[in-house]
Amino acid sequence: GENVEQHPSTLSVQEGDSAVIKCTYSDSASNYFPWYKQELGKRPQLIIDIRSNVGEKKDQRIAVTLNKTAKHFSLHITETQPEDSAVYFCAASLNSGGYQKVTFGTGTKLQVIP
Amino acid sequence: NAGVTQTPKFQVLKTGQSMTLQCAQDMNHNSMYWYRQDPGMGLRLIYYSASEGTTDKGEVPNGYNVSRLNKREFSLRLESAAPSQTSVYFCASNTPGQGKDTQYFGPGTRLTVL
Repeated sequence: GENVEQHPSTLSVQEGDSAVIKCTYSDSASNYFPWYKQELGKRPQLIIDIRSNVGEKKDQRIAVTLNKTAKHFSLHITETQPEDSAVYFCAASLNSGGYQKVTFGTGTKLQVIP
Repeated sequence: NAGVTQTPKFQVLKTGQSMTLQCAQDMNHNSMYWYRQDPGMGLRLIYYSASEGTTDKGEVPNGYNVSRLNKREFSLRLESAAPSQTSVYFCASNTPGQGKDTQYFGPGTRLTVL
């Protein structure tokens, strides 16, 4: 089955600096890669996603890149702000038999220091 | 539009007790999922329902049962709770393959088994 590895597990940055979180996946059939942000005690919420036919996607301060050949994808947050502090999860997924099989990474706890 | 709702928010059980976690979505999604989230382990799929009338096992189904009551509702039952089932449980829904691959999560149920 699919295996998703996520690094680092914790990340501290100064406010205004950039943060990068990296994930690798094992199943070349995976074709959809969402990123979720989870604040303490809250539900995971989608912040950006990318499909396998796209190499890069950007939404304001957040960008995601995908390298299908190497089977890795990354989340980039620029100009970090204290409200970016949260746990971030990457995921790799594919449609299988009418449902979406999603494998999540183990999460990165991002701390933005004011 | 409430999205995905879950009840209860918190629950404490004694070993051997039973309970049912409720989930409902009002987004007309076909597929629904139950995950558990444990520290350092990300989200793991317990059971899923690809469509109304179908259910199937995920990665960690032992000790759980599910019912897809109708298109909106998907419940998770613990027949005889064990301390190893102490976790945060999230329900999610989507309609994969129609440009709606994103899974939307409920607010979670924090369960403690003593």
